Amino acid sequence: DAGVIQSPRHEVTEMGQEVTLRCKPISGHDYLFWYRQTMMRGLELLIYFNNNVPIDDSGMPEDRFSAKMPNASFSTLKIQPSEPRDSAVYFCASSPAGISGLAGVTDTQYFGPGTRLTVL
Amino acid sequence: DAKTTQPNSMESNEEEPVHLPCNHSTISGTDYIHWYRQLPSQGPEYVIHGLTSNVNNRMASLAIAEDRKSSTLILHRATLRDAAVYYCILRGIRQAGTALIFGKGTTLSVSS
Repeated sequence: DAGVIQSPRHEVTEMGQEVTLRCKPISGHDYLFWYRQTMMRGLELLIYFNNNVPIDDSGMPEDRFSAKMPNASFSTLKIQPSEPRDSAVYFCASSPAGISGLAGVTDTQYFGPGTRLTVL
Repeated sequence: DAKTTQPNSMESNEEEPVHLPCNHSTISGTDYIHWYRQLPSQGPEYVIHGLTSNVNNRMASLAIAEDRKSSTLILHRATLRDAAVYYCILRGIRQAGTALIFGKGTTLSVSS
């Protein structure tokens, strides 16, 4: 498997523009997470999905941020309009999490390479 | 959620063993101890996890204290590629499928 795929890897845009980040999770994983990493706040959750349904979006900063998962193999994170304070590295992760019989709890998350967003 | 405490930074020389400590004095009986690491300019990656017994895999070993209030991630022979931020994270069995909560972790520097 190619692992979690994110695009673009780098994005530079101007304040006020719309930005769309994309993620393809590992096939068969039921959970998809969007995290953001900044020097000030470290790694923090934005939103996560289970079976394409948003479960917890409490980390989404404000209405300018939205995320969708139209099918099991694709998710987007959109910022509209973008602001300089949105500059960060955005990571997507997927997980096969769950109780899996004799294997016990499966709880490992697999991260993509991230998208480095710069808003000027 | 139970909290973990890690040193901010550690240094090692190449090909020497590295012991990365993590204190978790308020750990509950069903909390698993997970370790992730983040190499420069990459996303975090899973390293190892355990509950009570010591664990080994191809990347590292995890030594868990008998009272489970602390654990140590062991890299048996550090390489330059092991320079990363290492995160110790507690995960209750009911947290499977929820977000990971990252602290500041330990920044490991490896010198040749």
